[in-house]
Formats: sequence, structure tokens, C-alpha cells
Amino acid sequence: DAKTTQPPSMDCAEGRAANLPCNHSTISGNEYVYWYRQIHSQGPQYIIHGLKNNETNEMASLIITEDRKSSTLILPHATLRDTAVYYCTTWKTSYDKVIFGPGTSLSVIP
Amino acid sequence: DVKVTQSSRYLVKRTGEKVFLECVQDMDHENMFWYRQDPGLGLRLIYFSYDVKMKEKGDIPEGYSVSREKKERFSLILESASTNQTSMYLCASSTPGTSGSPYFGPGTRLTVT
Repeated sequence: DAKTTQPPSMDCAEGRAANLPCNHSTISGNEYVYWYRQIHSQGPQYIIHGLKNNETNEMASLIITEDRKSSTLILPHATLRDTAVYYCTTWKTSYDKVIFGPGTSLSVIP
Repeated sequence: DVKVTQSSRYLVKRTGEKVFLECVQDMDHENMFWYRQDPGLGLRLIYFSYDVKMKEKGDIPEGYSVSREKKERFSLILESASTNQTSMYLCASSTPGTSGSPYFGPGTRLTVT
């Protein structure tokens, strides 16, 4: 599984876009990028995933660089409820073990 | 609404006790996982299971065992609880492949005194 690195913490003003980076420089060709978030004292919640193309759903957008060595999760209009720890992880289609790093603690500021 | 449930949200046990943490999923998922989460260390995989009666060690299996007798249920067992096993324990389930992103339970915060 690819190792991912994320900044330990970030701040974002309420209503602005939050851009959370993730580095996965050793990702292999058949590994997907997944993003989760965890609000205090709850289990992680799935946000979005992608392989090569950019993806968008009702929660967020995922931008993956052309070389796939990094990605950015975008929360277009951050709210106070988006304050959480965000995890970027990767895994192969043939593997089902999910590895998480320390993640990024996002604070949305009024 | 899909659900992964864990038997307890909070649990306090004494050193040396045998502890059972139960996880049940109602999504007919093949894969189930147990993680522990500690401040600054992220989520660490303890054990996972691809199918009934099958189990694989994760990154930190020492001091733990698991049981999967039915597809929907995955139990984590601490044979003799120790204070360094005080942690948040998270269960998850998924289907094989990328279409089935893992769903997580609410977690059990275990304190061993």
C-alpha cells in the first residue's frame, strides 16, 4: 500500500473553500485514492474516492494530479460542521486492507 | 440505512480481565476490520477478515485475537487486558474491491485500569 503524508493541521474560514493536500508519491497504477473524515468521538466517514480522473459528489471534490503522486480534497464552502480530522488513504483493487495515517485536523473558523 | 454497530460505546475493565468487543454489520459485507486509534498515531489495523472463519493479522495483532463465526459478526478479544490497550477501537466492513469503501462503526472507548 502507498504511504500517504498530510499536513497535521489546517485552518479555513467559514464559507471559504478548504483545500486539503495529500502526498502519495509511491502509489501504484491500480491503487485508488480514498478520503475519509472523522468528527470527534465518531467513526470515520467516507467522503470520496478516485483513480485518475477528478471526482465530485455532494460532499466534496477530489483533484488528482496527472502523475497521481498527490491529490487535493476540496470542500467548496466549508461550514463549522466540517471541522474534523481528514484522512487520505490508498489501496489496490486486489487488496482490502485499509491503512490510515495521522490525517489532517481541519478547523473551520467563524 | 447501512449500519455497523459495536456492542458498547464506553467500556471500563480491569487489568487481566478477558474482554470481548463485538461488531455487527447488516450490509452482507465479506470483509471486516478491527482498528485501534490513539492520539498522534492514526488508525492502526489489528486484524481483518475476508470471510467467515478466516482472519489475517494486521499491523499490531499482539495481545489480541478475533473470531468470525458468522458473516455479519466480527469479535475482537483481549485475552488478558493491559493498561496499554486503553484506546478507541473501531470496527469496519466492506465488500472486496474499490466499489465497497469501508463503513465504520461508532467506536468503543475502552479503558483498562
